Amino acid sequence: DTAVSQTPKYLVTQMGNDKSIKCEQNLGHDTMYWYKQDSKKFLKIMFSYNNKELIINETVPNRFSPKSPDKAHLNLHINSLELGDSAVYFCASSPRTQSGEQYFGPGTRLTVT
Amino acid sequence: SQQGEEDPQALSIQEGENATMNCSYKTSINNLQWYRQNSGRGLVHLILIRSNEREKHSGRLRVTLDTSKKSSSLLITASRAADTASYFCATDKGGATNKLIFGTGTLLAVQP
Repeated sequence: DTAVSQTPKYLVTQMGNDKSIKCEQNLGHDTMYWYKQDSKKFLKIMFSYNNKELIINETVPNRFSPKSPDKAHLNLHINSLELGDSAVYFCASSPRTQSGEQYFGPGTRLTVT
Repeated sequence: SQQGEEDPQALSIQEGENATMNCSYKTSINNLQWYRQNSGRGLVHLILIRSNEREKHSGRLRVTLDTSKKSSSLLITASRAADTASYFCATDKGGATNKLIFGTGTLLAVQP
């Protein structure tokens, strides 16, 4: 009965590798998000999709590419991983695009060595 | 940076005491939200206050909003050890997207 789930929970990989993080929500929400939380706990929006359409694309390196196969899923693919990509990545969803609470997944801790 | 700021950065209190956290932001907003994050977990929404509201209550939580000062406060009354967590404010400017700008967070430790 998990509302927003992410896999994997932990991801340890070497520089230069390509990795993906998956997110699924079973809340029937139209909008999904990816956030990055750094080591100082600063949380910043990366992307948002509404019904499979990209609506927020912050200043994020091109190595990061979100993909939404349907409105219940939003995956994050990262190419050529760098040390600075180490962070916790959170997926979230909300019922609509305009103003409202967001429901967060448990996070994926990515460590690049 | 658009990021809001919270103070204090860290707060340690005894069970039963009240905890007050403050949030300041930089631009006009549509609403302001408070979230809690337990260690190693995702964020949980606590309360949302709209720009035309000045105060809101939810259980032991009381939130105030002063748009003239671009600031908000979160009061947790009669704190419990289970309230130990990081607390973040997040502002939404409105418009076509639900883009939240998060504050820097306050780490609250409630000692039993």
